[in-house]
Amino acid sequence: DTAVSQTPKYLVTQMGNDKSIKCEQNLGHDTMYWYKQDSKKFLKIMFSYNNKELIINETVPNRFSPKSPDKAHLNLHINSLELGDSAVYFCASSQEFPGQGYEQYFGPGTRLTVT
Amino acid sequence: GQNIDQPTEMTATEGAIVQINCTYQTSGFNGLFWYQQHAGEAPTFLSYNVLDGLEEKGRFSSFLSRSKGYSYLLLKELQMKDSASYLCAVTRSNDYKLSFGAGTTVTVRA
Repeated sequence: DTAVSQTPKYLVTQMGNDKSIKCEQNLGHDTMYWYKQDSKKFLKIMFSYNNKELIINETVPNRFSPKSPDKAHLNLHINSLELGDSAVYFCASSQEFPGQGYEQYFGPGTRLTVT
Repeated sequence: GQNIDQPTEMTATEGAIVQINCTYQTSGFNGLFWYQQHAGEAPTFLSYNVLDGLEEKGRFSSFLSRSKGYSYLLLKELQMKDSASYLCAVTRSNDYKLSFGAGTTVTVRA
């Protein structure tokens, strides 16, 4: 059984387009995250949701809009895509926050290429 | 902000031991995680330290010194499948996120 799943796995699109990435977890976790991993492999938090409520918005451009319809889903919509948005986007979930010692489970990633 | 430093690359021989160091500077420190990430795959959890000392888990061990802002991940009896990136991440008591270092790429050679 897949714990954290993301779709699509690969996304190639042109500048200026709008795209969405979907994430689902079947672990019963209350907290979900979006991370961006750039070409230098640096993994940076973008958003965190707890019980469908936005907890962390890490100064991400407002072209990025997360949406959590329920605790098991956290989607990421990106407007007006730019070349610099090319990266791998990881969804993750955890039972509670890492500050309480809880590990995060990551999805397989979505490799976004903007041309 | 948080400064998390770890070496960029390390190379070791199959069967050997490798130690990956991580230093951090953060206020309100409340725990350090190590994750493993194979090329093209998702990070997976390896260990968590919040108190000083050594945590052993099979071939992998993780050490923490809070007073020195220092941790290491020790990989013993290296296998080819241990070739991966190892990410150090810290969390704070008044925060709800993980802050990752840039990762250390370990290459195991036969």
